[in-house]
Amino acid sequence: EVQLVESGGGLVQPGGSLRLSCAASGFTFSSYAMSWVRQAPGKGLEWVSVISGSGPGTYYADSVKGRFTISRDNSKNTLYLQMNSLRAEDTAVYYCAKPPGYCSITSCPLGYWGQGTLVTVSS
Amino acid sequence: EIVMTQSPATLSVSPGERATLSCRASQSVSSNLAWYQQKPGQAPRLLIYGASTRATGIPARFSGSGSGTEFTLTISSLQSEDFAFYYCQQYNNWPPPYTFGQGTKLEIK
Repeated sequence: EVQLVESGGGLVQPGGSLRLSCAASGFTFSSYAMSWVRQAPGKGLEWVSVISGSGPGTYYADSVKGRFTISRDNSKNTLYLQMNSLRAEDTAVYYCAKPPGYCSITSCPLGYWGQGTLVTVSS
Repeated sequence: EIVMTQSPATLSVSPGERATLSCRASQSVSSNLAWYQQKPGQAPRLLIYGASTRATGIPARFSGSGSGTEFTLTISSLQSEDFAFYYCQQYNNWPPPYTFGQGTKLEIK
């Protein structure tokens, strides 16, 4: 069974940093691109970032480019999102997500989602 | 960046009736279009990918159609558990971003 468990969320001051983690199990982690998607309170879904299975390919939404860094440790089956220079508008639930089993490239829908971790940026 | 526009923002339909939700892309995304359902307090769930293929375990009353820039999600006979938010997402352009629509709230009439 595929499981994705996010952690690392919390309250941080504007300008601060936070690192989110997503522990994956139930599949061959290194074979799949992994994504982060966020949802501000009462708002819709916003795609944030994706990383290829082997790690060198990373892509970002313009809203986080230059401030967020996605990475992965395939030996630990863990996905990360390093968030720097945080702003109030980064307040959201952050989900990690994986493609369905048939899709092993970067351009895939998101078939499995974690439960999300809440990041609150406020003074 | 490809902009995805969903309509209507809110759709009120009675149980047992048909619901039709629309999603438009600002440029062609071929058939690289997914639909998700999200209920309050839950993570999104993949319903449709490739514009028309139901994901594993999704009931046959959910169907998707369209290609290029115009897409439709149809729920043929609404059940109580179908009242939720629905989002479309394109995953066509290279390089990303893989943008979502702003969502449609499907509510009970």
